[in-house]
Amino acid sequence: GAGVSQSPRYKVAKRGQDVALRCDPISGHVSLFWYQQALGQGPEFLTYFQNEAQLDKSGLPSDRFFAERPEGSVSTLKIQRTQQEDSAVYLCASTGGGPGGELFFGEGSRLTVL
Amino acid sequence: QKEVEQNSGPLSVPEGAIASLNCTYSDRGSQSFFWYRQYSGKSPELIMFIYSNGDKEDGRFTAQLNKASQYVSLLIRDSQPSDSATYLCAVNYGGNKLVFGAGTILRVKS
Repeated sequence: GAGVSQSPRYKVAKRGQDVALRCDPISGHVSLFWYQQALGQGPEFLTYFQNEAQLDKSGLPSDRFFAERPEGSVSTLKIQRTQQEDSAVYLCASTGGGPGGELFFGEGSRLTVL
Repeated sequence: QKEVEQNSGPLSVPEGAIASLNCTYSDRGSQSFFWYRQYSGKSPELIMFIYSNGDKEDGRFTAQLNKASQYVSLLIRDSQPSDSATYLCAVNYGGNKLVFGAGTILRVKS
């Protein structure tokens, strides 16, 4: 596709519900990242994939967060038993390995946990 | 802990002036540096990247890097109201992930 596509754009969940957020990266981009952005803050790294391999998941805040990219293209970020502190915008980004490794971001999925 | 520090602002400049945005980082091993612009409710978009000491110019934008001082800046010449946004500094410390600052809010007043 022309850009990174994320869905849903907005999600409201009751505390304790499970949610799944989808990311479709730019075609041909082997590297995919998930970031979490709280209101008024910069994006914070969650996890990184190269093709289907999850090479770094050091930013995942708890074992309630899980990400996968089984075929090396579309990725899903799953949050189990959501808590209010999970409310944030979840940004997906991909890179084709250009100079310096610049990231191209999707529009994000805004999660609100009530 | 690898950190990226920015003044949160807001930085207010009149239309046509030069806006100067600054960023410091904690790790001397940093390899490349990025400036992203983020409009309210939108995703970050890349403005410039720099990885060598000195200046890099692209249109109205100039990125400046001083590795000895662990300092990177972005200058916006002839600021326009459409430049009003949050500017995020990001540092690649290696390992293929960027560490972002909290961002500086820029307001250009016409």
